[in-house]
Amino acid sequence: AQKVTQAQTEISVVEKEDVTLDCVYETRDTTYYLFWYKQPPSGELVFLIRRNSFDEQNEISGRYSWNFQKSTSSFNFTITASQVVDSAVYFCALSEAQSNTGKLIFGQGTTLQVKP
Amino acid sequence: ETGVTQSPTHLIKTRGQQVTLRCSSQSGHNTVSWYQQALGQGPQFIFQYYREEENGRGNFPPRFSGLQFPNYSSELNVNALELDDSALYLCASSSSMMETQYFGPGTRLLVL
Repeated sequence: AQKVTQAQTEISVVEKEDVTLDCVYETRDTTYYLFWYKQPPSGELVFLIRRNSFDEQNEISGRYSWNFQKSTSSFNFTITASQVVDSAVYFCALSEAQSNTGKLIFGQGTTLQVKP
Repeated sequence: ETGVTQSPTHLIKTRGQQVTLRCSSQSGHNTVSWYQQALGQGPQFIFQYYREEENGRGNFPPRFSGLQFPNYSSELNVNALELDDSALYLCASSSSMMETQYFGPGTRLLVL
């Protein structure tokens, strides 16, 4: 069965600290896509990144970086030198090619609080 | 480029009533997906519309129904509202069924 687990419910850091958000997924599909979305208090989900199952190359975008490891079914997200504006709920999500819908399966989310 | 918009932003209804939520997709997108997000939870997939046809449905009862119009905007209708329907309803659009979904600001529904 498909599932996404974000074991960290809440994380609190002080500004400028690095923080890693964990994501573990389960799927039987060989072709799938992994995502991270950010949800600020306003409620809108903001797209951050999409990776497909055939591309394990890590990605860096500014202060954000993602580590995709198929061997451990993990897709972790690191924020370097965190800022107060990074405070939000972060969701990891999975979609499977066999669904033919792009249906997103979300984890429970990790609430990140960055204190000044 | 106009992003995904939803209306209304907030809504209060009573149990047993019916509600219609609206979504305008991002320019160039022909696919709309709807999600329900209960407080403190991750969003749950309700259904997807691709070129005016339903294309996949999550584990929601038939009283949740939808439409997609020729301009690819969409409606979510919920009949016989229950207290547990209180949630944030999110609409997402994409350029095709399997492409990245971009979300609107959501509609917060409270059922009393």
